[in-house]
Amino acid sequence: EVQLVESGGGLVQPGGSLRLSCAASGFTFSSYSMNWVRQAPGKGLEWVSYISSSSSTIYYADSVKGRFTISRDNAKNSLYLQMNSLRAEDTAVYYCARGYGDYVGYFDLWGRGTLVTVSS
Amino acid sequence: SYELTQPPSVSVSPGQTARITCSGDALPKQYAYWYQQKPGQAPVLVIYKDSERPSGIPERFSGSSSGTTVTLTISGVQAEDEADYYCQSADSSGTVVFGGGTKLTVL
Repeated sequence: EVQLVESGGGLVQPGGSLRLSCAASGFTFSSYSMNWVRQAPGKGLEWVSYISSSSSTIYYADSVKGRFTISRDNAKNSLYLQMNSLRAEDTAVYYCARGYGDYVGYFDLWGRGTLVTVSS
Repeated sequence: SYELTQPPSVSVSPGQTARITCSGDALPKQYAYWYQQKPGQAPVLVIYKDSERPSGIPERFSGSSSGTTVTLTISGVQAEDEADYYCQSADSSGTVVFGGGTKLTVL
């Protein structure tokens, strides 16, 4: 079955760190770009970061630049998001999403998400 | 960066046609994509490259583009179509934008 499964979410204090993981299965992970997209409670979607299939190109939203780091391990079919210096406004469900099309393009496969709560 | 603007809500009766618009200055130069999100679920792609429909998406979903506005049209709306709908676009510099979302209510 083609799927993405996120893990690693939880409760963290402001200023803390968290590492999210996304396990891919059912498709050739190394052929696709990948993204993280988040959704604060009751709010809309916000794109967070992009990584190309070979990790040669990486983009970040201005809101997370310098604090978050995206990476991938094609041998393990896994995507990661290292989140440092977390703030209350980073509280959200974080989705892993497969990319398609030119540049970042669009997101044709999504995981079910993992909730990150930043609170003291 | 740029913005994509959607109406907060659209309401239609079952069997009618729902039209959800998305406006942005960059849309004449970039493709738009549409996602459906039901409560507690992940988004699902319903339209890509302005008007293409992924496999498995019902034919009642269609997309169109005119100038700075793209439109998602749902013909013969069904109760199961009640959801939030988001437009999205991306440029060659790595800027990715989502619209604010439109809540479709089936009366």
